[in-house]
Amino acid sequence: AQSVTQLGSHVSVSEGALVLLRCNYSSSVPPYLFWYVQYPNQGLQLLLKYTTGATLVKGINGFEAEFKKSETSFHLTKPSAHMSDAAEYFCAVSDTGGFKTIFGAGTRLFVKA
Amino acid sequence: DAGVTQSPTHLIKTRGQHVTLRCSPISGHKSVSWYQQVLGQGPQFIFQYYEKEERGRGNFPDRFSARQFPNYSSELNVNALLLGDSALYLCASSLTGTQNTEAFFGQGTRLTVV
Repeated sequence: AQSVTQLGSHVSVSEGALVLLRCNYSSSVPPYLFWYVQYPNQGLQLLLKYTTGATLVKGINGFEAEFKKSETSFHLTKPSAHMSDAAEYFCAVSDTGGFKTIFGAGTRLFVKA
Repeated sequence: DAGVTQSPTHLIKTRGQHVTLRCSPISGHKSVSWYQQVLGQGPQFIFQYYEKEERGRGNFPDRFSARQFPNYSSELNVNALLLGDSALYLCASSLTGTQNTEAFFGQGTRLTVV
């Protein structure tokens, strides 16, 4: 069975500081991994995804994530936080069939001025 | 271009009632997935449909059912509502439903059961 663990339900950073949101996954098959962002009262927007190939994945809005198989991790980073980055972030995993995506519980990012 | 549209945006139902939620996918998308997001948690997979066939089902009771129409729109039905069914219900559409194609989410339907 697949699962996702996001470490830290809340993360607070200062504007301009590094953003690091942690995600660990469990999968018995090569996984597809995703990060989504959700703004209040809105649906989810895909930030980036890892399928195969390069382990460092670049996404929208300056975010990137690195797939580390040995650590079963897929942490999300951004070098410099902006106030507009304040939102809920979800890590997700699916199998190669893609029929079912498992989401983590989410991490709320707060950005202080 | 219109994104994924869901209706209604909000509704309140009483325990034991039935509810139907609707989703219109992006034009050209043939796959629709439904998720339940309880407050403070991540979305939980309910169903995926592709070309009007159920392709996947999550761990939800039989009170939950869905269907996809020839125009690829979809309905999620929940019978005998419980207080615990209160959640944001999200619909996502994609070209084929596999992870080679991006899923686009609607803004959701907020269901409150009282």
